[in-house]
Amino acid sequence: QQQVKQSPQSLIVQKGGISIINCAYENTAFDYFPWYQQFPGKGPALLIAIRPDVSEKKEGRFTISFNKSAKQFSLHIMDSQPGDSATYFCAASGSFGNEKLTFGTGTRLTIIP
Amino acid sequence: DAGVTQSPTHLIKTRGQHVTLRCSPISGHKSVSWYQQVLGQGPQFIFQYYEKEERGRGNFPDRFSARQFPNYSSELNVNALLLGDSALYLCASSIGQGVREKLFFGSGTQLSVL
Repeated sequence: QQQVKQSPQSLIVQKGGISIINCAYENTAFDYFPWYQQFPGKGPALLIAIRPDVSEKKEGRFTISFNKSAKQFSLHIMDSQPGDSATYFCAASGSFGNEKLTFGTGTRLTIIP
Repeated sequence: DAGVTQSPTHLIKTRGQHVTLRCSPISGHKSVSWYQQVLGQGPQFIFQYYEKEERGRGNFPDRFSARQFPNYSSELNVNALLLGDSALYLCASSIGQGVREKLFFGSGTQLSVL
């Protein structure tokens, strides 16, 4: 019940296109859903986060869509650029007594010219 | 401003040995968390410390232990190393103890167990 399932495992998108990464969770006690971006040799960096009281959050070219009833959320990257090539992780957390993040398995995104 | 710093960056050990990994949080951050990232997987929570007290522990054996010092730096210790402990160990810091605080990750320590 603590799992967060992420798909696809890898994604290739043409420059200027829309990249879409999906995540699903089981535990309804999760109430915070961040997305992290990780470049090779670096630690993950927070990209954008959402709480279940809103269905969408947009920051620049990055948008999270959240479907509470389906227990799914997704990251959309508009006008994808080669610099967006990285591994993306969705995550979730809730008040379980410790404030840990449960990460998805990651999506390796490659933006081609 | 310096980010989260971890040392060493790379480490090679043999099975059965002990290892100590170190983390210095961003100045002013009082919470440190440790995560294990196996190749091709997402990070897995190991520990969280806030104000020198353990505030959370993940599903890891007792061979894993940690502590936080008065200057908020932290050590992760792993005893009796197994091949399966080979991973990138990430340290993250935040101002407060709640995970909804923005977590800042270091670049990690790559541990190889032979």
